Amino acid sequence: GEDVEQSLFLSVREGDSSVINCTYTDSSSTYLYWYKQEPGAGLQLLTYIFSNMDMKQDQRLTVLLNKKDKHLSLRIADTQTGDSAIYFCAETHSSASKIIFGSGTRLSIRP
Amino acid sequence: GAVVSQHPSWVICKSGTSVKIECRSLDFQATTMFWYRQFPKQSLMLMATSNEGSKATYEQGVEKDKFLINHASLTLSTLTVTSAHPEDSSFYICSASHGTSGTEQFFGPGTRLTVL
Repeated sequence: GEDVEQSLFLSVREGDSSVINCTYTDSSSTYLYWYKQEPGAGLQLLTYIFSNMDMKQDQRLTVLLNKKDKHLSLRIADTQTGDSAIYFCAETHSSASKIIFGSGTRLSIRP
Repeated sequence: GAVVSQHPSWVICKSGTSVKIECRSLDFQATTMFWYRQFPKQSLMLMATSNEGSKATYEQGVEKDKFLINHASLTLSTLTVTSAHPEDSSFYICSASHGTSGTEQFFGPGTRLTVL
């Protein structure tokens, strides 16, 4: 079945880059997403990438996709305290009507 | 654009009572709405998918008689937790999509339900 996996925690120093990794099993995935969830809040879509792309950059965010290894990463440049949150990797394919979420990576920022 | 609201944002109820949670798409017509639940420090689990005017499709293991979903209009879906028990305490999040595909979903802020 479909599965999305992430490491549970990541701690980085303020100003450094954060890299959050994700692996997935569904080779027919068409869309891959990164969502951000702050405490007690819903999900905010940060960015998404189509499976026919290798990279997407949006300001401080860079998404890399290795389709062969089914590996997705999110890099946050110049990490700030406001980036503290849980980051969810997710995937779907165009014929499906549901998004499969990973377990989320809790990003904490240390001074 | 693409704002989804939920009401209430939090609710506390006694065991055995029913609780209704509303999900509204404020500036677009949501053909499809999704209901998720999230336990503390865990990921989102899809409970059901509802299309306007038709019965909801429930995921395996979700009791449709306990979690009643109504999607009566293109801007409103409701989730009613019937005869709530403490184990139903969770964070319930809805999302809405323009079309029948779930590839682009807009999420509500969530409703925290605590059953005493």
